[in-house]
Amino acid sequence: GNSVTQMEGPVTLSEEAFLTINCTYTATGYPSLFWYVQYPGEGLQLLLKATKADDKGSNKGFEATYRKETTSFHLEKGSVQVSDSAVYFCALYSGAGSYQLTFGKGTKLSVIP
Amino acid sequence: KAGVTQTPRYLIKTRGQQVTLSCSPISGHRSVSWYQQTPGQGLQFLFEYFSETQRNKGNFPGRFSGRQFSNSRSEMNVSTLELGDSALYLCASSRTYRDNEGYTFGSGTRLTVV
Repeated sequence: GNSVTQMEGPVTLSEEAFLTINCTYTATGYPSLFWYVQYPGEGLQLLLKATKADDKGSNKGFEATYRKETTSFHLEKGSVQVSDSAVYFCALYSGAGSYQLTFGKGTKLSVIP
Repeated sequence: KAGVTQTPRYLIKTRGQQVTLSCSPISGHRSVSWYQQTPGQGLQFLFEYFSETQRNKGNFPGRFSGRQFSNSRSEMNVSTLELGDSALYLCASSRTYRDNEGYTFGSGTRLTVV
């Protein structure tokens, strides 16, 4: 079946530090890949997406590249801010049978001034 | 434009009772999915509705059910509540069924079973 593995958190960074959150996946077919963010007490917000291999998704300074050869979709940001503190979820959507979002367990990021 | 609206935001129920949660999708979105979020199990898919028909279902017992109306609004029902049903229930909408472009989530309904 489909699965997503994210690096364990929590991750604590100082403001303006570089961020990487690793995400690898297992899926049948050719999934679409997503990063969602969840702020305290809120639902999920779509941060970025990539629907085919080698696509780069980007939004609000965050980037992730769909790497089919390494089945990865790592999230990066060059300079984090306190307002980026949240839980980040990597997810995939595969049309090959499951037709549902499969999520990683989430990585909690705390950015300190 | 308005996002996905879930009501109520918070609910407290007693074991054995039943509960109904509501979700209004983004205007023009015809597919509604439901997810359960718990600290232990993370985010798990419950079901997806499109054109008033359940199109896909996750691995949850029959106590969990849903429906969709002609205006695409959806309700989720949980009968005979158990303590383990305490969770954040998230609704997500998309333009169509099997939409691989991404889903838009609501803020969720926090259900506490005591």
